[in-house]
Amino acid sequence: NAGVTQTPKFRVLKTGQSMTLLCAQDMNHEYMYWYRQDPGMGLRLIHYSVGEGTTAKGEVPDGYNVSRLKKQNFLLGLESAAPSQTSVYFCASGRGFSTDTQYFGPGTRLTVL
Amino acid sequence: AQSVTQLDSHVSVSEGTPVLLRCNYSSSYSPSLFWYVQHPNKGLQLLLKYTSAATLVKGINGFEAEFKKSETSFHLTKPSAHMSDAAEYFCVVSDGGSQGNLIFGKGTKLSVKP
Repeated sequence: NAGVTQTPKFRVLKTGQSMTLLCAQDMNHEYMYWYRQDPGMGLRLIHYSVGEGTTAKGEVPDGYNVSRLKKQNFLLGLESAAPSQTSVYFCASGRGFSTDTQYFGPGTRLTVL
Repeated sequence: AQSVTQLDSHVSVSEGTPVLLRCNYSSSYSPSLFWYVQHPNKGLQLLLKYTSAATLVKGINGFEAEFKKSETSFHLTKPSAHMSDAAEYFCVVSDGGSQGNLIFGKGTKLSVKP
């Protein structure tokens, strides 16, 4: 039982390059989330999904796209990376109730030069 | 709209002394509140949560928090700090929607001196 896993752990991009971050969970959770963490800002929600085939915008969605083709996977894409997207990205999953715990992956540290 | 304010960005204590991390919340309804901990270069882990049951909530590793509606506070405490408690702590409120979205405070970094 691996919980929530993220690949890659680290990545360096040049401005304008694209990449996809993969999140996988083995807890059969319906809901999945992508956050970014910046110093002094806490975590901010980028996009989320309430089930296979669905996605929705969070607080800071601009510059990102997501897809949830399989229940266990949630992909975050950057089509044209910008230095402002340098951050640590966390994926989480949960049952989606307001009282429920979200389970977090270990994070991906992305640097855009 | 829901929000949380963590009153200290950095708290430093000596090993064996009490820990107090302060959090105030704003909510238009009875909130669900959480404390998450992030150890260096790790993901976030749930410490404890309040979901309108007992106002004093006990979590892992000896931490507890008390929900005080009159003060709109949810402070995190521990009687005796351990070196392994050094980490960043986030106070979190559920946004009240049906998706279970969370709103994070900016975090409090706890340092523990030997």
